Amino acid sequence: DIQMTQSPSSLSASVGDRVTITCRASQSISSYLHWYQQRPGKAPKLLIYDASNLQGGVPSRFSGSGSGTDFTLTISSLQPEDFTTYYCQQTYRTPPTFGQGTKVEIK
Amino acid sequence: EVQLLESGGGLVQPGGSLRLSCVASGFTFSSYGMSWVRQAPGKGLEWVSGISDGGGNTYYADSVKGRFTISRDNSKNTLYLHMNSLRAEDTALYYCAKGSCSSASCYRFDSWGQGTLVTVSS
Repeated sequence: DIQMTQSPSSLSASVGDRVTITCRASQSISSYLHWYQQRPGKAPKLLIYDASNLQGGVPSRFSGSGSGTDFTLTISSLQPEDFTTYYCQQTYRTPPTFGQGTKVEIK
Repeated sequence: EVQLLESGGGLVQPGGSLRLSCVASGFTFSSYGMSWVRQAPGKGLEWVSGISDGGGNTYYADSVKGRFTISRDNSKNTLYLHMNSLRAEDTALYYCAKGSCSSASCYRFDSWGQGTLVTVSS
């Protein structure tokens, strides 16, 4: 299975900060990398697909980049509703696998 | 608006069985691959199983292969997960997730249900 490793596992930031989360794959996955946001008690929500494409309805402060094994999710200016958990996912090979999650907390 | 509504979860003893259901609406169910994804309490996301639009192709995680069966009834817009020989480690919130294309291996999930909780305990 392809292992997905996110860093950091958690981070503290303030409203308005620029935040970057990294996801690394154990082998090349081209651009088959997606990012999800999960708020407490809610289902995951697709934010970014195919590494850099913004899902419809997602605010433009979210962006993604990368290819191969290294990917980033950037939030350009944190808003109060963004303090939650983010997961990356690869869909290059079955089984699809997720990173362990990154929790963004209020400083 | 896409809606996915899971049901069928509950408390079951180790070795027992359950059948989860997911009723879909707001899209052409028969045109999309579907999956089940689970989340153990306080843990991350784990894909469990996927099925193609017509039901002819299915995939399973190694952790559930031979114990779980995914199926669908397109006439009822319903996805199922039959779970047998349940173990404590199967305890999780089980989400139904819509793939973004028709194949069983279409794992970009653009819609999710709210989940149904399965607890395996004696």
